[in-house]
Amino acid sequence: DAGVIQSPRHEVTEMGQEVTLRCKPISGHDYLFWYRQTMMRGLELLIYFNNNVPIDDSGMPEDRFSAKMPNASFSTLKIQPSEPRDSAVYFCASSYGGLASTDTQYFGPGTRLTVL
Amino acid sequence: QKEVEQNSGPLSVPEGAIASLNCTYSDRGSQSFFWYRQYSGKSPELIMFIYSNGDKEDGRFTAQLNKASQYVSLLIRDSQPSDSATYLCAVNSNDMRFGAGTRLTVKP
Repeated sequence: DAGVIQSPRHEVTEMGQEVTLRCKPISGHDYLFWYRQTMMRGLELLIYFNNNVPIDDSGMPEDRFSAKMPNASFSTLKIQPSEPRDSAVYFCASSYGGLASTDTQYFGPGTRLTVL
Repeated sequence: QKEVEQNSGPLSVPEGAIASLNCTYSDRGSQSFFWYRQYSGKSPELIMFIYSNGDKEDGRFTAQLNKASQYVSLLIRDSQPSDSATYLCAVNSNDMRFGAGTRLTVKP
């Protein structure tokens, strides 16, 4: 298995632009998670899906952020409009079980976003 | 506010020594606990999880959980330079919260 795939690996954009991050989970995993990692705030869970349905988006920082999972093999995290404080590494992870389980979450390589 | 606290380090140990990494958490309802390793510029990878009080051993790694003290630790025996990384403690109480991580350096 190729593992969790994320694209792009690096994104540099200007403030106000729309940014779309993409994720392909491991085949057969029912759960997909989006995380953000910064030096200041560490690793934060933004939102997670079960069988393509958003379960908890309480970690999404504000309305500028949105996430979708149109099918079992694809998810997007969109920021519109982007701001410099959104600069971070965004990770996607997938697992068989959800947060109530101890199933391993497998992380993708991350997308390093820089908003100028 | 659910908090997960770790010493940021850096923690430096000589090769072959035992490295001890500590984590405290504030939510008594927390159910399961995870240790992730993250090499610089890479994504986190799960090392161990624990959900019962006591010790859990896996190779050179031992996780220890004390729910009464709200404390979880990770011991790495016979530390190797390849263990040099940041170790993240994660706590699950119907959400997943991570500590800031402890940077470990194992010196040859």
